[in-house]
Amino acid sequence: AQKITQTQPGMFVQEKEAVTLDCTYDTSDPSYGLFWYKQPSSGEMIFLIYQGSYDQQNATEGRYSLNFQKARKSANLVISASQLGDSAMYFCAMRDRTGNQFYFGTGTSLTVIP
Amino acid sequence: NAGVTQTPKFRVLKTGQSMTLLCAQDMNHEYMYWYRQDPGMGLRLIHYSVGEGTTAKGEVPDGYNVSRLKKQNFLLGLESAAPSQTSVYFCASSNRGALGQPQHFGDGTRLSIL
Repeated sequence: AQKITQTQPGMFVQEKEAVTLDCTYDTSDPSYGLFWYKQPSSGEMIFLIYQGSYDQQNATEGRYSLNFQKARKSANLVISASQLGDSAMYFCAMRDRTGNQFYFGTGTSLTVIP
Repeated sequence: NAGVTQTPKFRVLKTGQSMTLLCAQDMNHEYMYWYRQDPGMGLRLIHYSVGEGTTAKGEVPDGYNVSRLKKQNFLLGLESAAPSQTSVYFCASSNRGALGQPQHFGDGTRLSIL
């Protein structure tokens, strides 16, 4: 069963604007972790931000923030003040309670337009 | 600051040939993973290991074998390569413990099977 769903295959955003990348997840476990990774065209996977299921506050890391809505099982990534270097694939992932496995979505391709 | 190193970076094989992909990490991580990435499908887990001498199947294990004889190394083997195994392969490692421990990825191996 699909545990992570990213419904936006591609997104465009104007430089300096904010953009939201959607991620919904499926688990019945109360304890889990949610991650976002960036994959630029060079291919490497870069960890961006983490949100724990028990965290009361939404996670933030610089221009990245995570809009965590637990009841709706969504963990959307918000990128503020987009830059040309933000153009990349973005993957949402979930780590289950055992911590053994990570489940990845299919990704969203973001293009920042000058 | 090597992190996770994958060898080789590129390889072209003929159908039926065998090969081994090597992953080495220098962060003393307990957990190691092998993924394949195909267009439109995100990252799919092939096999993983939660410690030296242990391995487990992931989502798409058929046609692959793995070994973790040393904590720092995780090998992925293709005994008889098939064109369907043409993909980009990523190795990752993570610490056990808190759910917030992210995965650290290698740069990937681009494998083509003719």
